[in-house]
Amino acid sequence: DAGVIQSPRHEVTEMGQEVTLRCKPISGHNSLFWYRQTMMRGLELLIYFNNNVPIDDSGMPEDRFSAKMPNASFSTLKIQPSEPRDSAVYFCATMLSSGGELFFGEGSRLTVL
Amino acid sequence: QQQVKQSPQSLIVQKGGISIINCAYENTAFDYFPWYQQFPGKGPALLIAIRPDVSEKKEGRFTISFNKSAKQFSLHIMDSQPGDSATYFCAAAKYDMRFGAGTRLTVKP
Repeated sequence: DAGVIQSPRHEVTEMGQEVTLRCKPISGHNSLFWYRQTMMRGLELLIYFNNNVPIDDSGMPEDRFSAKMPNASFSTLKIQPSEPRDSAVYFCATMLSSGGELFFGEGSRLTVL
Repeated sequence: QQQVKQSPQSLIVQKGGISIINCAYENTAFDYFPWYQQFPGKGPALLIAIRPDVSEKKEGRFTISFNKSAKQFSLHIMDSQPGDSATYFCAAAKYDMRFGAGTRLTVKP
């Protein structure tokens, strides 16, 4: 199995630009999570989906952030417009069902200048 | 979001020593308590996990001790090795998974 696949691995952009991060979950995993990792705040849960439906987006920092899961094989996290304080590593993680092992992708490192 | 509190923030141990990392949680609905290990440039990976119906789980050099009444759990790494140097996260889960702030472990040769 290829594991959770994230793209891009690295993104450098300028303040105000739109950023789209992508995630392909492990086949058959029906729960998908987006986390943000920074030195100051650790691993923060942004949003999670169950069977493609957003369940809890209370961790999304503000309206500039949005996430979608149009089908079981693909999810996006979009930041528009981006700001320097959005610089972080963004992880997608998936699991088979509620409870149990969470499998992480390798992360997307975002730098906003 | 800080539903899981982890300490210490960093830890330095000599090779062969015991590394101990502690976590406390608030929500009694949590029913799954994993520890994740993260190396630089990689995503976290599951190391060991426990459910609240047992007080201890051991896998090789790694042991979780769980105290349900105190709402605390800890990771013990016996005979710590330089290859164990990484960041360790405790977590607690019910329908989603919440992570502690992480502990950066350095094992000196």
